[in-house]
Amino acid sequence: GQQVMQIPQYQHVQEGEDFTTYCNSSTTLSNIQWYKQRPGGHPVFLIQLVKSGEVKKQKRLTFQFGEAKKNSSLHITATQTTDVGTYFCAGRGSGYSTLTFGKGTMLLVSP
Amino acid sequence: DGGITQSPKYLFRKEGQNVTLSCEQNLNHDAMYWYRQDPGQGLRLIYYSQIVNDFQKGDIAEGYSVSREKKESFPLTVTSAQKNPTAFYLCASSPRTSASAGHNEQFFGPGTRLTVL
Repeated sequence: GQQVMQIPQYQHVQEGEDFTTYCNSSTTLSNIQWYKQRPGGHPVFLIQLVKSGEVKKQKRLTFQFGEAKKNSSLHITATQTTDVGTYFCAGRGSGYSTLTFGKGTMLLVSP
Repeated sequence: DGGITQSPKYLFRKEGQNVTLSCEQNLNHDAMYWYRQDPGQGLRLIYYSQIVNDFQKGDIAEGYSVSREKKESFPLTVTSAQKNPTAFYLCASSPRTSASAGHNEQFFGPGTRLTVL
């Protein structure tokens, strides 16, 4: 079956530092989604990437989808304490009707 | 006010008892899902349903059962056969599940934290 690996598992940064989480799939993906889960909360959809090499930005967040559609990354510039939470990638394989979630990267930001 | 509701937020049960978790959505979404979340494990798919009166097993369906009698409701029963039921359970819905469709992001409910004593 599909496997989606996400690294790092955990990262602690000082406010203002940058942060990146990486996602790798064992198979080619038709699309990839990113979610954020605040402590004690539920996952909230951030974005979906569909095209090979696609790059999308949301304010300080930059999302990339690899050329081979097997990897993706989320980069946060100048982190803020409001960025604290766990970031999950979720990939949908070609022909699959469900998402496979990575284990997530927990981000802690110290003021 | 559209969204997904799950109840209760916290649930305690004795070992050996079946328990049913509620999930309701008023988003008119076709697809609904149940996930289990354990610390450090991410979200693992238990069951999903793409249409009323139909559902499919996910990656960890053993010890669970579901029904989809109405579009807006997708209850999950955790049976006594589930070896380690203590976990955080999340229900989600999406407009569709087609692999080629856009706008199929998942909307999650607030979750139910089940503790089996």
